[in-house]
Amino acid sequence: DAGITQSPRHKVTETGTPVTLRCHQTENHRYMYWYRQDPGHGLRLIHYSYGVKDTDKGEVSDGYSVSRSKTEDFLLTLESATSSQTSVYFCAITGTSTNYGYTFGSGTRLTVV
Amino acid sequence: AQTVTQSQPEMSVQEAETVTLSCTYDTSESNYYLFWYKQPPSRQMILVIRQEAYKQQNATENRFSVNFQKAAKSFSLKISDSQLGDTAMYFCAFMNRGSSNTGKLIFGQGTTLQVKP
Repeated sequence: DAGITQSPRHKVTETGTPVTLRCHQTENHRYMYWYRQDPGHGLRLIHYSYGVKDTDKGEVSDGYSVSRSKTEDFLLTLESATSSQTSVYFCAITGTSTNYGYTFGSGTRLTVV
Repeated sequence: AQTVTQSQPEMSVQEAETVTLSCTYDTSESNYYLFWYKQPPSRQMILVIRQEAYKQQNATENRFSVNFQKAAKSFSLKISDSQLGDTAMYFCAFMNRGSSNTGKLIFGQGTTLQVKP
């Protein structure tokens, strides 16, 4: 019903471990985005995708990778988590007409200890 | 590169009163969209209102309206008859609509609004 879901909603992980966050959409939208939210910075773009296997970097992409093997799924991976990656992560989608703004997932709170 | 600035980290307003949240942006583009998003304590991001840069008329959505000053690169949000449910963080956001558009949104830092009973 929501059209976009993120998993997990919360996660605590140890420094140096790999972490994968999942974004799943049922809207068949072309564009998908990963943002991180930090106090004083608003939301900043990590990576985005404009189609299956088509991805590009955002402004804070260091330490992150993404994959999109199917239209509906967009994965964000932290290869080796660091404390600076403690944040709230949002996935968002938009259709061909991007000017109507995004539909956001409910966010993932990630804590790296 | 485009930037979005919200200079008011926190604001408060009495219930039923009017409050204005400020946003300025910097861009050399002429074709773009501006948005206000609301994030209540539930963390969900909710679109409040959008403005198309080529339209001179200010957008309105019920109690929410904007004052769009293109020359000044200013995009403020006015909330009339404030309600307790308006308590949230509000984000201003910019989207370039040029030929290289990829739908990327650039967000301001956010303004936390508290509506007091």
